[in-house]
Amino acid sequence: DGGITQSPKYLFRKEGQNVTLSCEQNLNHDAMYWYRQDPGQGLRLIYYSQIVNDFQKGDIAEGYSVSREKKESFPLTVTSAQKNPTAFYLCASSIPGTRGNTIYFGEGSWLTVV
Amino acid sequence: AQSVTQPDIHITVSEGASLELRCNYSYGATPYLFWYVQSPGQGLQLLLKYFSGDTLVQGIKGFEAEFKRSQSSFNLRKPSVHWSDAAEYFCAVVRYGGSQGNLIFGKGTKLSVKP
Repeated sequence: DGGITQSPKYLFRKEGQNVTLSCEQNLNHDAMYWYRQDPGQGLRLIYYSQIVNDFQKGDIAEGYSVSREKKESFPLTVTSAQKNPTAFYLCASSIPGTRGNTIYFGEGSWLTVV
Repeated sequence: AQSVTQPDIHITVSEGASLELRCNYSYGATPYLFWYVQSPGQGLQLLLKYFSGDTLVQGIKGFEAEFKRSQSSFNLRKPSVHWSDAAEYFCAVVRYGGSQGNLIFGKGTKLSVKP
């Protein structure tokens, strides 16, 4: 079945480490997104990419980096510069420019700093 | 700046009772609005969406929402709640000038269902 796969589901990071969250989609969508979710805060946009080899910062990009070398993949790296990385991270994809289409979300990844 | 407000952080209803979750948005033009549901530790599932046309939108699982431009609201309703509806509900709007997935979310309303 088509969908978005995020891995790992649970990840633990030590202080000062960089970690990378994987997001893969087989929906043939051009646009992909990363959101962060904190309790009581809703979802906030970290980065998005509307086409391969191009991406833009969202509302809370500091301390994060992304790449978009392939259409189906949009990994997120949480760097040591991110002061409070413990959160639930959600990846999403859509067809850009067609506002009537649905945005699909993955099942999320939990990141905890230990 | 654009924003989405869900005034109720937590709502408890009895099974079989009706439900209304409130959502208010700030937006100058015609908004593109969504309601999502999230079970604990899971991703988001789309319940319904509004882009234009009929202001009463039907969604999955028996949910509906009504767009009221005069009140800047997009409230979610269900006539009879089931225990399986217990979850967190998010209202979202497409960011002005943004692409489809560039959403601004409310902070969510957690729904508990009493037997």
